[in-house]
Amino acid sequence: DTGVSQDPRHKITKRGQNVTFRCDPISEHNRLYWYRQTLGQGPEFLTYFQNEAQLEKSRLLSDRFSAERPKGSFSTLEIQRTEQGDSAMYLCASSIDGQPNYGYTFGSGTRLTVV
Amino acid sequence: AQSVTQLGSHVSVSEGALVLLRCNYSSSVPPYLFWYVQYPNQGLQLLLKYTSAATLVKGINGFEAEFKKSETSFHLTKPSAHMSDAAEYFCAVLRGGNEKLTFGTGTRLTIIP
Repeated sequence: DTGVSQDPRHKITKRGQNVTFRCDPISEHNRLYWYRQTLGQGPEFLTYFQNEAQLEKSRLLSDRFSAERPKGSFSTLEIQRTEQGDSAMYLCASSIDGQPNYGYTFGSGTRLTVV
Repeated sequence: AQSVTQLGSHVSVSEGALVLLRCNYSSSVPPYLFWYVQYPNQGLQLLLKYTSAATLVKGINGFEAEFKKSETSFHLTKPSAHMSDAAEYFCAVLRGGNEKLTFGTGTRLTIIP
């Protein structure tokens, strides 16, 4: 069990550029979640996948955001035309369907700074 | 709807003193409850969880929490604070069938030497 991996750890980008983050969940976990955390706040849900299917998206996920999990393994989160308000920590987590009592395992996050 | 409220965005305690971080939940059915810890520029690490097996839950690093249904609370405690406990702590709730962990706003714990 190598845990949940996120890449990159830090990303600085200019406003208007596109960025893509990657998440590799624990291999036997079929659920994958994306959260966003701004300074001084708790993580806020963005979207989640069960295997390759995206089952729910938050209203926080504007049209500029897109997430994929093409083969039910790793996932990518892309932000197009970044804005300063997108600056945040993006957290990925994974879990096992049908076992909510185990909670989620989180990665170390990707900190995005839009300048 | 389910949510959690963490009372006190900042808590300071002296090294060796009792740590008490408060969490109240609202849920129409008994939920699953979790405490996570976050160190600077890190992800969240699970401290402990309540899953209806026992009301007093022991976690890592000497922390424990007690589920009190009558008070809808799940407060986190540690008998003796250590400098390494300085971090942000988040309470979270998950109701079976609702697949999203919902987090409180967090409590920043500072340990005074």
